[in-house]
Amino acid sequence: AQTVTQSQPEMSVQEAETVTLSCTYDTSENNYYLFWYKQPPSRQMILVIRQEAYKQQNATENRFSVNFQKAAKSFSLKISDSQLGDTAMYFCAFILLFGNEKLTFGTGTRLTIIP
Amino acid sequence: DSGVTQTPKHLITATGQRVTLRCSPRSGDLSVYWYQQSLDQGLQFLIQYYNGEERAKGNILERFSAQQFPDLHSELNLSSLELGDSALYFCASSVDGRETQYFGPGTRLLVL
Repeated sequence: AQTVTQSQPEMSVQEAETVTLSCTYDTSENNYYLFWYKQPPSRQMILVIRQEAYKQQNATENRFSVNFQKAAKSFSLKISDSQLGDTAMYFCAFILLFGNEKLTFGTGTRLTIIP
Repeated sequence: DSGVTQTPKHLITATGQRVTLRCSPRSGDLSVYWYQQSLDQGLQFLIQYYNGEERAKGNILERFSAQQFPDLHSELNLSSLELGDSALYFCASSVDGRETQYFGPGTRLLVL
């Protein structure tokens, strides 16, 4: 079974600074996707970024980028120039490409951006 | 706005009752997923439908059932409700089972 671990329950950072959220996962499979989802106080689940395991290049979306280390099974999210609207729970998630097509989520990191 | 709609947004009911949650996927998406988010269990996968057929089952209780209709909307039925069923229920959809899942706004269920 696949597992996703987020070891930082809470983090806080000053506005405009850079913050990195950690995620590790465990799988014996080779073909999968990794995601970061954001859940603001509204409780909506919003896709932040996706990484395909077969791609060596790290995904980026504007101020959001990942550091994907496949051998180490590590998938961290970097938020640059953090903004107040980035305050949210962030969930790391994993899905196998061939197999049970469910998302497996970590327990989340609560990020607070301080003005 | 993800394009996935869920109704109702909030539901308050009593133990022992039955409720139905509804989900309409994004246009063009064939796959629908149901997830439960509770304080003690985190985000848990319940069930997946693809083009009207059940494709995968997760930690779904026998008191819960779901279906996907020909127009691709899906309903999650929760019966004999217990206090512990209080949670946020999300529906998500994707083009097929291997693409990114987009989440609806959720239905907040409170069982009293």
